[in-house]
Amino acid sequence: GQQLNQSPQSMFIQEGEDVSMNCTSSSIFNTWLWYKQDPGEGPVLLIALYKAGELTSNGRLTAQFGITRKDSFLNISASIPSDVGIYFCAGQRGGTSYGKLTFGQGTILTVHP
Amino acid sequence: GAVVSQHPSWVICKSGTSVKIECRSLDFQATTMFWYRQFPKKSLMLMATSNEGSKATYEQGVEKDKFLINHASLTLSTLTVTSAHPEDSSFYICSAPGTSGMFRETQYFGPGTRLLVL
Repeated sequence: GQQLNQSPQSMFIQEGEDVSMNCTSSSIFNTWLWYKQDPGEGPVLLIALYKAGELTSNGRLTAQFGITRKDSFLNISASIPSDVGIYFCAGQRGGTSYGKLTFGQGTILTVHP
Repeated sequence: GAVVSQHPSWVICKSGTSVKIECRSLDFQATTMFWYRQFPKKSLMLMATSNEGSKATYEQGVEKDKFLINHASLTLSTLTVTSAHPEDSSFYICSAPGTSGMFRETQYFGPGTRLLVL
């Protein structure tokens, strides 16, 4: 099935550094979501973006919904060890596809103390 | 709010047996739930949409007779893997639309069920 193009695939950073990851798509989405998944657990919602151009923050996290509705980025500032995990972007369309999510391939984040 | 639970969290079964996985919305009602499958170090792939009171709709390539879905109530959907084989071993995750805190209605995921078929 279709996937969003998420990059980078993995990141190894030092504690305190900022992190940036992004997702692109060839088609438009109505909503962009960013999730974090720890090993053996389900994804946990971090940020939801509902309007093109929207910039939203949640603590040290900032995400933006691209103006073309085909891309989004997630920034994590001042990373800490508990930020370790896999980050997924997900796009949601409206209409009959409402609720169905298309996921990116994930970004594996490793934070060295 | 918007808590989704799954049971069991992990299951080991013999090849040829059937396994039922439950997905519950704990503090809200969900007329629609979604089932995903995730292989190790891979992304989540949507399998099917579970509809309360009507048949589930399956994504292309997903065998409906293999993965039986029943949405018995507004808070419960079940996925039954019939005649399981080792290639069915995977991490199965459900989601339901809900609201919580700063977010408008969006998708919340259960903790997942790890299935190992021997």
